[in-house]
Amino acid sequence: EVKLVESGGGLVQPGRSLRLSCAASGFTVNNNYMSWVRQTPGKGLEWVSVIYSGGITYYADSVKGRFTISRDTSKNTLFLQMDSLTVDDTGVYYCARDYYASGRYAHEIWGQGTTVKVSS
Amino acid sequence: EIVLTQSPGTLSLSPGERATLSCRASQSVSSNYLAWYQQKPGQAPRLLIYGTSSRAAGIPDRFSGSGSGTDFTLTISRLEPEDFAEYYCQQFTTSPWTFGQGTKVETK
Repeated sequence: EVKLVESGGGLVQPGRSLRLSCAASGFTVNNNYMSWVRQTPGKGLEWVSVIYSGGITYYADSVKGRFTISRDTSKNTLFLQMDSLTVDDTGVYYCARDYYASGRYAHEIWGQGTTVKVSS
Repeated sequence: EIVLTQSPGTLSLSPGERATLSCRASQSVSSNYLAWYQQKPGQAPRLLIYGTSSRAAGIPDRFSGSGSGTDFTLTISRLEPEDFAEYYCQQFTTSPWTFGQGTKVETK
């Protein structure tokens, strides 16, 4: 069964850091395009970052320079390192396995999400 | 950034009725890069449609997508009780990949 399980969310003060994990089963993270998407009270659903199978990464402007997407082959896990957090980063963070075939693209498989709250 | 505007904000319908949801883009979107998702309270979004009109695995054929350019539509031919939820469109044509603000389909 293809499955994604996020962890690492929690309550954190503004300016601090948090690292989210997304453990995959049923497929190999390294061989797929993987994204992070968040859902915040202010902006709704917002794409955050993607890592392609070749390792190229892209970020939304709102997180560029503060967030880093990475993966660990041995753990078959995707990560999101979040630094310099602000209250606007509060929300539910989802990882997703992306579908890319025949020139079409979508976030195909989603994890259940992990909640991040940034507050003093 | 491509802005996606979904309408209506809320659709009040009865089971068995037809639902038509609109997603309008601020600039042209490639048909290959337009997707629709369903989200129920407390759950993650679920992929329904990709490439404007292709149903994802396991999605019943009462869900269909159409459109091109800046206007896209998700149609639910006959609403089942489990279809009452929030629906989002998303484009992947240009970065950042953006979502619409959602349409809530509620029971009349």
